[in-house]
Amino acid sequence: EVQLVESGGDLVRPGGSLRLSCAASGLTFSSFWMTWVRQTPGKGLEWVAGIKDDGSDKYYVDSVKGRFTISRDNAKNSLYLQMNSLRAEDTAVYYCGRAVGHSADNWGPGTLVTVSS
Amino acid sequence: DVVMTQSPLSLPATLGQPASISCRSSQSLVHSDGNTYLSWFQQRPGQSPRRLIYKVSDRDSGVPDRFSASGSGTDFTLKISRVEAEDVGVYYCTQGTYWPWTFGQGTKVEIK
Repeated sequence: EVQLVESGGDLVRPGGSLRLSCAASGLTFSSFWMTWVRQTPGKGLEWVAGIKDDGSDKYYVDSVKGRFTISRDNAKNSLYLQMNSLRAEDTAVYYCGRAVGHSADNWGPGTLVTVSS
Repeated sequence: DVVMTQSPLSLPATLGQPASISCRSSQSLVHSDGNTYLSWFQQRPGQSPRRLIYKVSDRDSGVPDRFSASGSGTDFTLKISRVEAEDVGVYYCTQGTYWPWTFGQGTKVEIK
């Protein structure tokens, strides 16, 4: 059974940084694209970033380009999202997802990021 | 970015009766590889989203066959043949043809 578990969410001040992690099990992690998706009450669901199975290609939504970095460690079956220069509008539940068929077929329970002074 | 527009945004459904949700994209979702990457997700209260359908009409493993979907180009539909109480939640369409992938606003399904 595929399991994805996010961690690292916290309360952080505007301009601060946070690193999210996603631990994967039950899958050959190195064979799959992975994604981060966030959910806010106001804006619904938003695909944030995606990374190719070997890490060689990365995609970001415009609103996080230059501030967020997606990465992975296939040896550790882990996905990461480094978030810098955080803004209030980045407040959301962040999910990691395994990308199959150009969407996410498995999601974690999510981790809450709150950006507030 | 591709805009996904769902209707209705609220759907009061009757147990045992059919229900359907429409999703329209601002441009054709046919990918250069010939596939159309339109998926449907269900999010029950307090849970993570769960994928029901991918590539327009392919059901994910474990999804009841009362869920079906169809469409092409820019117009897509999710149908529930007989609504059950466990179907309450918010349903989202999403396109994966163009980055950034984008979601619809969501359709809240509740029981009348």
